[in-house]
Amino acid sequence: KAGVTQTPRYLIKTRGQQVTLSCSPISGHRSVSWYQQTPGQGLQFLFEYFSETQRNKGNFPGRFSGRQFSNSRSEMNVSTLELGDSALYLCASSSTPASSTDTQYFGPGTRLTVL
Amino acid sequence: SQQGEEDPQALSIQEGENATMNCSYKTSINNLQWYRQNSGRGLVHLILIRSNEREKHSGRLRVTLDTSKKSSSLLITASRAADTASYFCATDAANSKLTFGKGITLSVRP
Repeated sequence: KAGVTQTPRYLIKTRGQQVTLSCSPISGHRSVSWYQQTPGQGLQFLFEYFSETQRNKGNFPGRFSGRQFSNSRSEMNVSTLELGDSALYLCASSSTPASSTDTQYFGPGTRLTVL
Repeated sequence: SQQGEEDPQALSIQEGENATMNCSYKTSINNLQWYRQNSGRGLVHLILIRSNEREKHSGRLRVTLDTSKKSSSLLITASRAADTASYFCATDAANSKLTFGKGITLSVRP
């Protein structure tokens, strides 16, 4: 079974631009969660989608948005990029809604650099 | 804010030694998980311990959970250079989303 894939793996943008990141979960998994990882803040939860519905949202500004398609693939979008958005963006999938009862399978991440 | 807080932040040991990492959390949990992350990569699930369990083993890993102290420890026995990574504990937060600590950086010297 193929693992979680994220595209692109690396991205360089400038301030004010917008970016879209993509995540394909493990086949059969309906939950996709997104995390932002920075050296200072660690892993911060962005949002979770389950069966095309946003189930949970972290404490991030409205510039961060996401969606999930009927095939469970998910995209996250960041508009009006700021320098502080430079981070590793990780997505994780699970077969049931994300919780501590279920293993989350992580993709390799997208490294976003904002100049 | 992080639900789980790992301790220490960094640990450096010699190959063959044991590594002990701790995680404390603030609110009641259903379960606690430990993950490993190799440099700049995704996280890999190591072990899950349920709130009604006190100890669990998986290969060279031993996890304990003390719900009265709201803490967990991860012990890696007979460490290897390949164990060099960051380790995270993850717990349920108030609205059931999985919350990770900031992680512990483990360096195993050959």
